[in-house]
Amino acid sequence: DTAVSQTPKYLVTQMGNDKSIKCEQNLGHDTMYWYKQDSKKFLKIMFSYNNKELIINETVPNRFSPKSPDKAHLNLHINSLELGDSAVYFCASRPGLAGLNTGELFFGEGSRLTVL
Amino acid sequence: GNSVTQMEGPVTLSEEAFLTINCTYTATGYPSLFWYVQYPGEGLQLLLKATKADDKGSNKGFEATYRKETTSFHLEKGSVQVSDSAVYFCALSDLSDTDKLIFGTGTRLQVFP
Repeated sequence: DTAVSQTPKYLVTQMGNDKSIKCEQNLGHDTMYWYKQDSKKFLKIMFSYNNKELIINETVPNRFSPKSPDKAHLNLHINSLELGDSAVYFCASRPGLAGLNTGELFFGEGSRLTVL
Repeated sequence: GNSVTQMEGPVTLSEEAFLTINCTYTATGYPSLFWYVQYPGEGLQLLLKATKADDKGSNKGFEATYRKETTSFHLEKGSVQVSDSAVYFCALSDLSDTDKLIFGTGTRLQVFP
């Protein structure tokens, strides 16, 4: 069983469209994240949720709206897609609210979004 | 603010060569430091970590030592294999917000037989 799974893995769409990426983790973790990896492999945090509550919103345009229906799911909806949104989006999770000093992030395989 | 700087890649090596990937950091206080690895088509996986100065993290033949005096956490391996070809990310935990990891830009390693 995949611990952190994302769908879809690939998404090609036109500018201006709205799309969603779903993430589910079966690890029983409390905290989930969305990271964006650009074409140069630079990885940057976008959001984190702890038990359905938004913890981090890292100055992301409000076209991006995360939603956490329960602590095992964190979906990412993007409105009015732009060319610059093309990237690989990674979902990740970790247990508890304890600091990251002893923890680790568990990543999904990524969702490659291409905006034409 | 806190940041991580890695050497630019790609690093190209022959099998059994010695590997060093440099990583330096800027942080207030004493963050924990991590190396993550991303194999082609996969998500990132934790490779090793160190939580305090002079700690050495190790896994799968890779090692990195937390050097406070030089603010570095260089990744080393004595003899690389083709299967080590991947992108390696250095990261630190942000002490001002411990719910966040800050990643370096990644270094691609290519190992040829």
